Order: sequence, then structure tokens, then C-alpha cells
Amino acid sequence: ILNVEQSPQSLHVQEGDSTNFTCSFPSSNFYALHWYRWETAKSPEALFVMTLNGDEKKKGRISATLNTKEGYSYLYIKGSQPEDSATYLCAYDLTNAGKSTFGDGTTLTVKP
Amino acid sequence: NAGVTQTPKFQVLKTGQSMTLQCAQDMNHNSMYWYRQDPGMGLRLIYYSASEGTTDKGEVPNGYNVSRLNKREFSLRLESAAPSQTSVYFCASGGQNTGELFFGEGSRLTVL
Repeated sequence: ILNVEQSPQSLHVQEGDSTNFTCSFPSSNFYALHWYRWETAKSPEALFVMTLNGDEKKKGRISATLNTKEGYSYLYIKGSQPEDSATYLCAYDLTNAGKSTFGDGTTLTVKP
Repeated sequence: NAGVTQTPKFQVLKTGQSMTLQCAQDMNHNSMYWYRQDPGMGLRLIYYSASEGTTDKGEVPNGYNVSRLNKREFSLRLESAAPSQTSVYFCASGGQNTGELFFGEGSRLTVL
């Protein structure tokens, strides 16, 4: 069983704060790392997929980095807004078969 | 564009009853997946199908069977439901190459 760990488990911030969370995964073998955003009562939606060491992806105020040599990825949210409140999942692919192993997620709550 | 649709959205069963969760995708993806999500935990893979006519076990397959009826449809069957199978079930498609998964809206199953 592959171990994918996310921290922190939950995070409460004020509107306007910037925040970041971590995803750790096995560094010995790697194909891809995904970040998903999961809003309450909806289904997870893909944010980023990263495949190369040093990859950086950005979508609006959200960005992500990848370090495959040490086995971690960071997700950053700049100037958090209440609509950013969601659970953020990372998922690790060992091969291109698409059998992602998910972390338990980080639940972000942004207070107005 | 419907994406991934799964039915039913809610179901209550008694221990020992059987039921089938249906999933269909209209994105012409080869790969389809069934995940379960339990409180405080991430998504865990039950079964997946890399292509029509093939299925493989994931992390937590015990107590489940699947059928890949055609390229569009992938069903999950509980032959004799147990309280430990109370969960939210998500069907997904996609995954190969880019690895991005597209999820259905989830099916909440309660086994009494």
C-alpha cells in the first residue's frame, strides 16, 4: 500500500490570508502527482497534474510545486477567499495506469 | 455534457441485502474506477477497469464485484451488504496518460 500523507488535516484562516499545505508521497518511484479541489456536496475536480521534478503550476491565486526527489508537493493559496473553502486532495500515480492513491485531504475554511 | 453519472444517489440497505451501483461516462475514456470515501479518510480504490472487458482489484475490493458492461458503463455490486460498507461511493473515469480523473456526484450508501 502506497503512503500518501497530507498536512495539516484542517486549516482555518481569515479572508485575505495566504496559506499552504503539504502532500508527501513515496520518492522511490513516481509518475504523476495530482491536486483536486473538493467542495462540500460536490465531486472532486482536478486542479493540477504535475509530472516533472521542479514543476510549478498556477491557476489564478492557487499554485503548486513538486519535488519528486524528496517526495513532496506544496499547494499555495494567495489571499484566501471564502469561496476557496473546500477539501484539497492530492493523489499520487506510481504508473501511467491512472490508479491514483489519494491522501486524506486538507480541509480549508476561510472566514469572511 | 453529462460527464460521469452514477445512480442511485442515496440508498439504505439492510445487512445481507444486495444492490448494484451504476456508472456511465460519455467522455470516451478507456479507464473507469470505483472509490469509496469514509469520514476523515481519503478516497480508496475498490476496483478499476483499464479498458472494456478488463477489471482489477484496488486497495479495498473485499465484498464487492464489478462489471465493465461496455466502454461507457462500469457497475459495482454488493452481493451481501455489511454495515462496514456504509460509505459514499464515487465512480470516476479518465486517468490514463494525463492521469486526471473525472468524478461522478457520489452515491451515499447506508447499511443497517
